[in-house]
Amino acid sequence: GAGVSQTPSNKVTEKGKYVELRCDPISGHTALYWYRQSLGQGPEFLIYFQGTGAADDSGLPNDRFFAVRPEGSVSTLKIQRTERGDSAVYLCASSLTGEPTDTQYFGPGTRLTVL
Amino acid sequence: AQSVTQLDSHVSVSEGTPVLLRCNYSSSYSPSLFWYVQHPNKGLQLLLKYTSAATLVKGINGFEAEFKKSETSFHLTKPSAHMSDAAEYFCVISGAGSYQLTFGKGTKLSVIP
Repeated sequence: GAGVSQTPSNKVTEKGKYVELRCDPISGHTALYWYRQSLGQGPEFLIYFQGTGAADDSGLPNDRFFAVRPEGSVSTLKIQRTERGDSAVYLCASSLTGEPTDTQYFGPGTRLTVL
Repeated sequence: AQSVTQLDSHVSVSEGTPVLLRCNYSSSYSPSLFWYVQHPNKGLQLLLKYTSAATLVKGINGFEAEFKKSETSFHLTKPSAHMSDAAEYFCVISGAGSYQLTFGKGTKLSVIP
């Protein structure tokens, strides 16, 4: 079946602009996660959705970042007033139930470059 | 708090020789441990996971890992490296009641023909 998909695969923007990154999880997966991977580092947790609600947004670095999942499927990560330090690969993952032992399936990521 | 430490940032092996990628963990409770692989320009793929069942875990592509509580280790091994194994490998931990995955910094595996 189809895996997790993310669009766009690459996004180049200018400092101060607004961007939206989209994630389509595996069909039927109730849990959705966003991670950020900076160059040379492992991914870092940003936010977790269970259904339509953000169950844990403790990883969001500041209030310029927020994410939605209005119908419990597709999610959008939104970044306002982008800064050069936001440049990274943004990864989305989904899992069936959100249990800690669940396998998280990752998408290919969106590479964001802020000039 | 929980964390993992990958002891080598880069490992280089010859094709056909064994692979050992080292990972130590720190956790206040019984963790779940995972190894993920990331090929260039590809998504993260789960190799194997430990969730308190058998301590020796077999994964895909001939990889396996052994959970050793006394040594707080979860090293990844493969008897014979293949060129297609060249990639970045991440040791990952999640803890009781936590769905957040905490990743190590990664080990880049190079396979020399």
